[in-house]
Formats: sequence, C-alpha cells, structure tokens
Amino acid sequence: DIQMTQSPSSLSASVGDRVIITCRASQGISNDLAWYQQKPGKVPKVLIYAASTLQSGVPSRFSGSGSGTHFTLTVSSLQPEDVATYYCQRYNSDPLTFGGGTKVEIK
Amino acid sequence: QVHLQESGPGLVKPSETLSLTCIVSGGSISSGSYYWGWIRQPPGKGLEWLGSIFYSGSTFYNASLKSRVTISVDTSKNQFSLRLSSVTAADMAIYYCARHEAWGLRYFDYWGQGTLVTVSS
Repeated sequence: DIQMTQSPSSLSASVGDRVIITCRASQGISNDLAWYQQKPGKVPKVLIYAASTLQSGVPSRFSGSGSGTHFTLTVSSLQPEDVATYYCQRYNSDPLTFGGGTKVEIK
Repeated sequence: QVHLQESGPGLVKPSETLSLTCIVSGGSISSGSYYWGWIRQPPGKGLEWLGSIFYSGSTFYNASLKSRVTISVDTSKNQFSLRLSSVTAADMAIYYCARHEAWGLRYFDYWGQGTLVTVSS
C-alpha cells in the first residue's frame, strides 16, 4: 500500500504567520490528494482536493500544491480559528489512506 | 444539502460485533454518483478508512481489517450500515459515515457527526 507521511506532526506559529504542512507519498499519486481540517471535537472538513483546488467556501488563505509524491498545504496568514489538526488523504487507489496529521497551535 | 447521521450502540463487548447505521437525508443514496463510506478515529489518533459501498451493493474495503468488515446498503430506507466483527479494545473509536465520488475525486465531502463506540465488558 502507498503510505502517506505528514510533517511536521505538530507546529506552533504566531497569528499572521505563513504555515506550511507537507505530505509525502511513498509512490506517485498524480494529484489525487485532498486536505482536511479537523478542529478540536469537530468533524473533519475538506479544504482542498485534486491537490490544489479549493473547496467551495474555504477561505483563500488556504492553498495546496504538489504532484506525484510531494504535496504542501499552505496557510498564508494564520488565524486563531485555524487551530486544528490537518490531514492529507490520497485517493488514487485503494485503500483510501490518510496521513498521520499535523496539529497546528497558536504561539 | 446532504446530511448523514450515524446511529447504533455506543458500547460493544469484546469479541462481539459492532453494528452501525448511517441515515442519509437531503439526497438519494441511489444517485449513482457517489460511494458511501465509513471512517474511524481512535481517541486522540488519526483517521482510518474502513470501506465504502455503492447503491448497487458494490463494495471495497480496507484490507488491513481483513474479513472483519461488512458494509451493506438499504436503498429503500436511504441508509447504509457497518458491521465489524470480533471487536477488541483497539476498535474503540469515533465512527464516521461519509460520502465520496464514485470515480476520480474520491475525497470525502460530506460527513456525519460521528458516534463514539466503546469496547468494554
């Protein structure tokens, strides 16, 4: 199975900072990748699909890039409401697989 | 707006079978464009996809769970169900039902609120 590795596992940043989260696939997955945000105690919510397409209603400070094995989720200006755990998910083949998550906190 | 709602026992004994149902509203499970899946999240841990089903009954599962998972669909009730046999403490988790496209963009766009299942005698 293709494994998804996220880094870092956690980070602390200041309001207004640019935050970058990385997701690496053990084999190429084209652009078949989504990013989710899960706030504490809440349901995961999709932010980005097809590696770089913003889901409707998601703030434009979120962006995604990458293809093949290396992907990034960028928050251009971190806001207090962005405190959450972020997950990547590949869907190029079965099994549908999530990364281990990146917990984002405010410094 | 599609809405998904999980239901089922919150407590299951070790070695028994976990059974959950997801009721779909605001859209037909038989639309033909989507698969309907189950995802779980142990307390404080990450997300694990268990399997998905099409309205026709076609399924695909996470092989890591071997043959313990069965997903079924009842189009007349607009719902689908999960059965996980021989549960252990490791199966304690929040169980979510969710939807993804049938082909191509298989990310989960609508999720249920999740239901916590505890495994304990």
